[in-house]
Amino acid sequence: AQKVTQAQTEISVVEKEDVTLDCVYETRDTTYYLFWYKQPPSGELVFLIRRNSFDEQNEISGRYSWNFQKSTSSFNFTITASQVVDSAVYFCALTTSGTYKYIFGTGTRLKVLA
Amino acid sequence: KAGVTQTPRYLIKTRGQQVTLSCSPISGHRSVSWYQQTPGQGLQFLFEYFSETQRNKGNFPGRFSGRQFSNSRSEMNVSTLELGDSALYLCASSLGGLPYEKLFFGSGTQLSVL
Repeated sequence: AQKVTQAQTEISVVEKEDVTLDCVYETRDTTYYLFWYKQPPSGELVFLIRRNSFDEQNEISGRYSWNFQKSTSSFNFTITASQVVDSAVYFCALTTSGTYKYIFGTGTRLKVLA
Repeated sequence: KAGVTQTPRYLIKTRGQQVTLSCSPISGHRSVSWYQQTPGQGLQFLFEYFSETQRNKGNFPGRFSGRQFSNSRSEMNVSTLELGDSALYLCASSLGGLPYEKLFFGSGTQLSVL
C-alpha cells in the first residue's frame, strides 16, 4: 500500500522564522516520485518540486529547500525566513511509475504572522 | 496560456440529486484527473483520463463517474448525492505522456449537499 503522512496539521510561526514541514511516505515500489504542492486561499494547488527515488540530492530554491532521505522515507520541506505570503496549505504527494495516480498527504496549514 | 478551468465554481444541491462538474485542461494537455478534497482527508484520487480512456480509478462508489471528450475536456458526474459528498472537487491536467508529470490544478468546484 502507498501512503503519505503529514503529521503536522497546522503550524504558526512569526515572520522571518524558519519552518520545516514534515512528510513521510510508504511505498514498496523502487521507482517513485515525490512532490510538494502549495494551496493558497484561492484553492488552486501550485507545483513546487518533484523528486525521483534515485536522486537523494537536497535542493535549494531561494528561501525553499527540500531534504529527501530514503533511509527514513522522508521528504521534508523547509522555508527560511518565512513571509506572510507563505501562508497556505502545503501538500506532499507520491506517485509510482505507471499508475497515473497521486497519493496526497492530508496537508499542513502554515500560518505566518506579521 | 489559459490555466485549468473548472465550472461551476460553487454548487448547492440537495440529497438525491445528481450533479455534473466540468473541467477544461490547459491547451495541449491530454491527461485530466479528478480529486476530492475534504477537511482532514486531504486530496482523494477519483479517476484519471487520457485520450478519452480511463487509466486509473480511485476507491469511490459507482455513483462517481467521469468521461473525457476528444478535445480533452472532462466531466465528472455524481448521482444520488449524499451529505458526505460535500467537498471541493479539483481537476488537474498534464501533458499525459509520462506517469510522473507535474499536475496543473484548477481552482475547484465547491459542492455543498443539503
